[in-house]
Amino acid sequence: GESVGLHLPTLSVQEGDNSIINCAYSNSASDYFIWYKQESGKGPQFIIDIRSNMDKRQGQRVTVLLNKTVKHLSLQIAATQPGDSAVYFCAVPLDSSYKLIFGSGTRLLVRP
Amino acid sequence: DTAVSQTPKYLVTQMGNDKSIKCEQNLGHDTMYWYKQDSKKFLKIMFSYNNKELIINETVPNRFSPKSPDKAHLNLHINSLELGDSAVYFCASSSQDLLGRGVFYEQYFGPGTRLTVT
Repeated sequence: GESVGLHLPTLSVQEGDNSIINCAYSNSASDYFIWYKQESGKGPQFIIDIRSNMDKRQGQRVTVLLNKTVKHLSLQIAATQPGDSAVYFCAVPLDSSYKLIFGSGTRLLVRP
Repeated sequence: DTAVSQTPKYLVTQMGNDKSIKCEQNLGHDTMYWYKQDSKKFLKIMFSYNNKELIINETVPNRFSPKSPDKAHLNLHINSLELGDSAVYFCASSSQDLLGRGVFYEQYFGPGTRLTVT
């Protein structure tokens, strides 16, 4: 089966610095990966996704990197802001397009 | 203009009671989901309905029974509540993979219902 894990449960960064949140997955056949952001008291919100035929994808202040060799992906947030404080999840669809497996989450704390 | 809404937002009840959580989406999606998030933020899918038909049913106690009266609504009924049922329950919805190509469509989550069983 698929499992998705994160290396650090909590990440504390200074406002303005860059943040890097890591995620490892177990199924080498996984071909699609998603990052979600969950703010306190809210549901998860889609941030960015990447397909396995790509190594890198950029959004607004966010970049996702995929290393299929070691089954690892990361979310980079540039110039981290207080509004970036949240729990971040990587997720992988399993078996079908509907079943989403979430990683355990990393809490990002932004120090003023 | 909330896309996915859930009621109630908070639910405190005693062991042994029966309770329901309601979910509605106005996105026109055909697929809806229930997820459970525990105290450690671990998020796990419970059920999924596509066009009112159950398509995902994870290893969930049969005290949990989802009901979809129409495509826009997916309710979760829980019988004989137990302490371990305390969690945040999220409803979500997405478009449908009509051609069965395994295409993933973004899932939109509701704000969650925090259930506390005492």
